[in-house]
Amino acid sequence: GQNIDQPTEMTATEGAIVQINCTYQTSGFNGLFWYQQHAGEAPTFLSYNVLDGLEEKGRFSSFLSRSKGYSYLLLKELQMKDSASYLCAVRDGDYKLSFGAGTTVTVRA
Amino acid sequence: TAGITQAPTSQILAAGRSMTLRCTQDMRHNAMYWYRQDLGLGLRLIHYSNTAGTTGKGEVPDGYSVSRANTDDFPLTLASAVPSQTSVYFCASSDARDVDEQFFGPGTRLTVL
Repeated sequence: GQNIDQPTEMTATEGAIVQINCTYQTSGFNGLFWYQQHAGEAPTFLSYNVLDGLEEKGRFSSFLSRSKGYSYLLLKELQMKDSASYLCAVRDGDYKLSFGAGTTVTVRA
Repeated sequence: TAGITQAPTSQILAAGRSMTLRCTQDMRHNAMYWYRQDLGLGLRLIHYSNTAGTTGKGEVPDGYSVSRANTDDFPLTLASAVPSQTSVYFCASSDARDVDEQFFGPGTRLTVL
């Protein structure tokens, strides 16, 4: 099976930066995904990394190190609407996604 | 574009009863998935289908069955519900090309009493 770890909760102030770490151990690796999930809603796709390095998408960036089994999602210029759960998911050798339990980010004014 | 729809939105079910959760997508995606989401455990894969006519077991398949008669529909059936199947169920689909990110339906909240 897969082992994906991420912090349970994080709190930050509006306008600040927050970094959500994700470590994983999988049998085979075919990419790492980050999803955003607002309370009571469906997860929505944020970012994808398959090669080492940083992928930037506006205020959101995601980093991957395959040798370390490590990724992070960086949220810059935090807004109140960024309060949500952020899910780290790894696609394994069978092309199936395994999800971490999610990190709940609370943005305070 | 509707994307993925699920029905019902929520349901309360007596233990021992059967129930089918419906999922329909209009994106012509080949692959479809069923997950359950429980507090503290994250999303866990129940069953999947890589293409119409084929299905496979995920991480937690016991007590559930699926069928994939066509591209658009992927129903999930609980033959005899138990309280441990109380959860939020999400259906998802992907086109199995490029990034192949999964698109999720709005979910069905199921309570088994």
